Amino acid sequence: AQTVTQSQPEMSVQEAETVTLSCTYDTSESDYYLFWYKQPPSRQMILVIRQEAYKQQNATENRFSVNFQKAAKSFSLKISDSQLGDAAMYFCAATTSGTYKYIFGTGTRLKVLA
Amino acid sequence: DTGVSQDPRHKITKRGQNVTFRCDPISEHNRLYWYRQTLGQGPEFLTYFQNEAQLEKSRLLSDRFSAERPKGSFSTLEIQRTEQGDSAMYLCASSLANDEQYFGPGTRLTVT
Repeated sequence: AQTVTQSQPEMSVQEAETVTLSCTYDTSESDYYLFWYKQPPSRQMILVIRQEAYKQQNATENRFSVNFQKAAKSFSLKISDSQLGDAAMYFCAATTSGTYKYIFGTGTRLKVLA
Repeated sequence: DTGVSQDPRHKITKRGQNVTFRCDPISEHNRLYWYRQTLGQGPEFLTYFQNEAQLEKSRLLSDRFSAERPKGSFSTLEIQRTEQGDSAMYLCASSLANDEQYFGPGTRLTVT
């Protein structure tokens, strides 16, 4: 069975600074995908970034990048130049080809301080 | 493309009543998923459809829960004889085959 663990219930970052959110996962599958989703207060979840397990290169989307360590089963999210609008719950999720159902972590609440 | 929509957004019901939620996916998406999210937790998978076929159900989905997706378009999730433990946010998501999932705003259920 797949598991996803987020060990940081809450993180804070100063505006314009960089923050890293941690995620570890466990799976016996070889073909899987990893995601970070953002859930602002009272708003729907939106995709931040995705990583295919077969790709060695770390995914990057503007100010968001991941550090994908396959052997360590680690998938952290780095947010550069943090903005007030980045404040939200961030969920790490994993899925495998075939079912594509997501297994989510418990989330990390990110606070951005002005 | 108007995104995934869910109706109602909020539902308050008394214990023992039946409730039904609706999800309208993005029109060209063939996969539709239901998740349940309780306070302080990540969403938990309930069930998913490929077109009109329900391909997987979680053990979380007791006999009181049923989901349908007639004609492979919108989906409904019904909870019979609601219990206080059913209080949660019910999320719907849709996707193309192996693409990322797009989530709706959710239906918040409160069972009193």
